[in-house]
Amino acid sequence: SQQGEEDPQALSIQEGENATMNCSYKTSINNLQWYRQNSGRGLVHLILIRSNEREKHSGRLRVTLDTSKKSSSLLITASRAADTASYFCAPTLEGGADGLTFGKGTHLIIQP
Amino acid sequence: EADIYQTPRYLVIGTGKKITLECSQTMGHDKMYWYQQDPGMELHLIHYSYGVNSTEKGDLSSESTVSRIRTEHFPLTLESARPSHTSQYLCASSNGPFYGYTFGSGTRLTVV
Repeated sequence: SQQGEEDPQALSIQEGENATMNCSYKTSINNLQWYRQNSGRGLVHLILIRSNEREKHSGRLRVTLDTSKKSSSLLITASRAADTASYFCAPTLEGGADGLTFGKGTHLIIQP
Repeated sequence: EADIYQTPRYLVIGTGKKITLECSQTMGHDKMYWYQQDPGMELHLIHYSYGVNSTEKGDLSSESTVSRIRTEHFPLTLESARPSHTSQYLCASSNGPFYGYTFGSGTRLTVV
């Protein structure tokens, strides 16, 4: 397994603004997944983007993937207070080795 | 409704005690995982299972053990709890590395 590295480590924005967080990884992947974790809770799967996809949308979420740069971004549009959480990316190796590995995440705070 | 359940939600226990953290899922997933997470830190994979009677150690060495006698059940046991075991333990399941993981709400363990 390999670990994605999220950037920035922390982000604070006003409600209604857009939030962008980035993920970098090191080797070839089959897919990359994004998860959200509210304080003290388990992770919630947000979106999975496959290596042959460049962009994917789900509601207010937009994920991009650039395999040539080994990077991905998660955009949350029109942020809400309920979006306050930590966000993690998890790349899956091309061979599909099991057990996702998570970095420290991006801690997002939405100010009312 | 298909889901994954962890019990107990919180546990405070004395040093030297034997504990079992329960994890059950109703989705029929073959793959199950245990992660350990300290507050604000990354998740560490400590155990995983490909199916009944299959258990593997994860990236982080752990003194805990697991068993998989039934598809839906993946309990984690600590034979003799120590303060260094204080952490949050998260259970997850999936259909494999090409699909998203479903996480439980976690067990927050404190060993005093």
